[in-house]
Amino acid sequence: GNSVTQMEGPVTLSEEAFLTINCTYTATGYPSLFWYVQYPGEGLQLLLKATKADDKGSNKGFEATYRKETTSFHLEKGSVQVSDSAVYFCALMIGGYQKVTFGIGTKLQVIP
Amino acid sequence: GAVVSQHPSRVICKSGTSVKIECRSLDFQATTMFWYRQFPKKSLMLMATSNEGSKATYEQGVEKDKFLINHASLTLSTLTVTSAHPEDSSFYICSATLIAGANEQYFGPGTRLTVT
Repeated sequence: GNSVTQMEGPVTLSEEAFLTINCTYTATGYPSLFWYVQYPGEGLQLLLKATKADDKGSNKGFEATYRKETTSFHLEKGSVQVSDSAVYFCALMIGGYQKVTFGIGTKLQVIP
Repeated sequence: GAVVSQHPSRVICKSGTSVKIECRSLDFQATTMFWYRQFPKKSLMLMATSNEGSKATYEQGVEKDKFLINHASLTLSTLTVTSAHPEDSSFYICSATLIAGANEQYFGPGTRLTVT
């Protein structure tokens, strides 16, 4: 079956620190990969995505590269802000089937 | 574009009553809508997939008689939690896809259900 593994956290960083949230996956087929962000009390927002190997998704200073050889899609940001505090979900979808498989979510807390 | 809304955003109901949650695609027609449940400190669990005009497909372990899903139009799906119990308290999130086979889902803001 399909699965996504990511650290649960919480991850606590000081403002302007470098962020890495690891995500690895197993999938039957060729998945599209996503990072979603959930701010407190809100639903999920798509942060970035990549649909094939070596693609890099980027948005709002966040980046993630689809690494087929290591089955990974790690999320990075060079300098985090307090406003980045949220829960980040790594996810995959096998095209055509549309079921999204989510990781457990990583809580990020950025302190001033 | 591709905005999905949910109503209500929060609801409190008494045990034994039923509560309906609406999911609407505001600026597009959604061929397929999905309902997820999010447990505290857990990831999202897919409950069911619904297509307009047909019966929903429920995931294993989800009681279809308890969680009634109706997909009346291409822009509206409803989830009714029947005879709610405190263990049904959760965050329910819907999502929708633009076209069949699309590789992206658009999520609603979620509904916090509390059963007392």
